[in-house]
Amino acid sequence: GDSVTQMEGPVTLSEEAFLTINCTYTATGYPSLFWYVQYPGEGLQLLLKATKADDKGSNKGFEATYRKETTSFHLEKGSVQVSDSAVYFCALRNSGYSTLTFGKGTMLLVSP
Amino acid sequence: DVKVTQSSRYLVKRTGEKVFLECVQDMDHENMFWYRQDPGLGLRLIYFSYDVKMKEKGDIPEGYSVSREKKERFSLILESASTNQTSMYLCASRPGLERTDTQYFGPGTRLTVL
Repeated sequence: GDSVTQMEGPVTLSEEAFLTINCTYTATGYPSLFWYVQYPGEGLQLLLKATKADDKGSNKGFEATYRKETTSFHLEKGSVQVSDSAVYFCALRNSGYSTLTFGKGTMLLVSP
Repeated sequence: DVKVTQSSRYLVKRTGEKVFLECVQDMDHENMFWYRQDPGLGLRLIYFSYDVKMKEKGDIPEGYSVSREKKERFSLILESASTNQTSMYLCASRPGLERTDTQYFGPGTRLTVL
């Protein structure tokens, strides 16, 4: 079946550092890929998505590129802020009738 | 903006009680979902619904039931709450059945069963 693997956290960075959170997936066909973010005490919200190979999703300074050859969708940000501290979830959906398959989440902690 | 609301942010119940968690979305979405979130386990799908009066089991339906009498409302029911159902419960909705659809989440209900 479909699966998503994320790097385990927590990832601890200083403000203005470069961020990478790795995400790889296993799926048949051509899934859509998503990054969701969960701030403390809140639900998940969509951060960005990509729906076909080589697409780049971007939002709020975050980027991720859909790499079919490496089955990856790594999340990057050039300069993190304290306000980026949250849990980040990578997810995929393989077809219209599929439900989202989530990774286990990666906690990011950014210190001043 | 899509809004998914959940009836309570925090809830404390006793073992054996019947518990209702309510979720309402205001964007006429066809599909609604209930998840639970636990440390180290991520999100796990309990039930979902593709249409009014329809329901499908997710990965962990045992001990739960659902009701969808109206399109905008999806209720999760714990028939007899147990301590291992202490968790964060997240409701979500999705507009249609496109592979690319964004799924929208509510703020969550943190349920404690004593």
